[in-house]
Order: sequence, then structure tokens, then C-alpha cells
Amino acid sequence: DAKTTQPDSMESTEGETVHLPCSHATISGNEYIYWYRQVPLQGPEYVTHGLQQNTTNSMAFLAIASDRKSSTLILPHVSLRDAAVYHCILRVAVNTGYQNFYFGKGTSLTVIP
Amino acid sequence: DPKIIQKPKYLVAVTGSEKILICEQYLGHNAMYWYRQSAKKPLEFMFSYSYQKLMDNQTASSRFQPQSSKKNHLDLQITALKPDDSATYFCASSQDGTDTEVFFGKGTRLTVV
Repeated sequence: DAKTTQPDSMESTEGETVHLPCSHATISGNEYIYWYRQVPLQGPEYVTHGLQQNTTNSMAFLAIASDRKSSTLILPHVSLRDAAVYHCILRVAVNTGYQNFYFGKGTSLTVIP
Repeated sequence: DPKIIQKPKYLVAVTGSEKILICEQYLGHNAMYWYRQSAKKPLEFMFSYSYQKLMDNQTASSRFQPQSSKKNHLDLQITALKPDDSATYFCASSQDGTDTEVFFGKGTRLTVV
């Protein structure tokens, strides 16, 4: 899997909108961009994923650059429950029936009350 | 209700002993995985299974053996335990397909003394 680069940590205040960047300069055309988050003592939780178009769901908005070499996870109106380590992961879209994810250090998001 | 059940939640083992970590998923998924997370380290992919067959093994040691007795079960047997095996072990599962999400269990925290 291609590598991603994320800042080690970011900080935000409750109620603000947070932009979490991810760089994936060597992304291949068939690689999806996945975002997971993990809080201490819990398993990772799926946030969102996309291929080329921006995507949105109840948790976040994923903005994908037109050249796909970077993406930004946008969390609107963060709360204390959004404090977690956020992982940006690339996954090749092959129809193998299974999905191996390789996690890096991710971005540790601190939310201040 | 949790859809991926891992047992036990906590486990203390003596060096040299053998333990089995239990994982059952009730999501109807065909693919299951094991990940490991040592203290303050990224989540590490270990195994992937699809339709009860081993697909990928990224664990160097043969002391770690997955066991799939049923389609929705993937236990992890660990023999000759060492203190370095102390970690939280996460089971996960996903449906077939190229861009589906992977769901994680809450983990089994293993301490080897």
C-alpha cells in the first residue's frame, strides 16, 4: 500500500470545524482513501472513504484534491467525543473479498472544552 | 449490542504458557482479521481470512495460529507466550467487495508476566 503523511497532532476547541490533512503523493488510480479513528482502549472506528469525488456522511466530509494527491477530513462542530487518533489509509480496490489495512501513527486530535 | 464479540476482555498469562483469544462476528461477513496493538504503537495487521481460508499472514512467528471453526469465528491461538506478546489484540471483519468498511471488535488486552 502507498504511504500517507499526516501531522502528528492537532488541537481544536469544541464547536469548531476541524480540517485534518493527509498527503498521498504516490496514490494509484485504483486506491481508495479511507479514514478511521481510534480512541484509547477501543478498536478503530470507520469514518468515511472515497475514491475521486468528495463524500459526506453523518460523521464527516471528505474533500479529495482533483489530482488525488491529498485529502482533507473535515469534522464540523467537533465535540469532546471527537477526540481520537485519526488514520488516513490507502487501500487498493481489488476484488479479493478481504481488505487489509495498514495503519500508521495517524493524527492525534485534542478537543478543548 | 456489539456485533463483534471478543473474549476475554482482559487476560493475564504466564511466560511460556498458551492462550486462545476468541472472536465471533454476527454481521454476516465473509472476511475476518486479527490486528495487534502494543503500547503506544500503531495498529499492526496480523492475519486475514476469507471464507475460512488464510489469505494473508504478516506475522513472522508461527506461535500465532488463527483457527476458524465456523464462518463467523476466528480465534487466535498463541503458544509459548513471551512478555513482548503483551498487547491488545483486535478482531475485525468485513463483507465481500472492493470498497467496504472493516468493523473492529473492542479487543482483548493480553498481559504476559
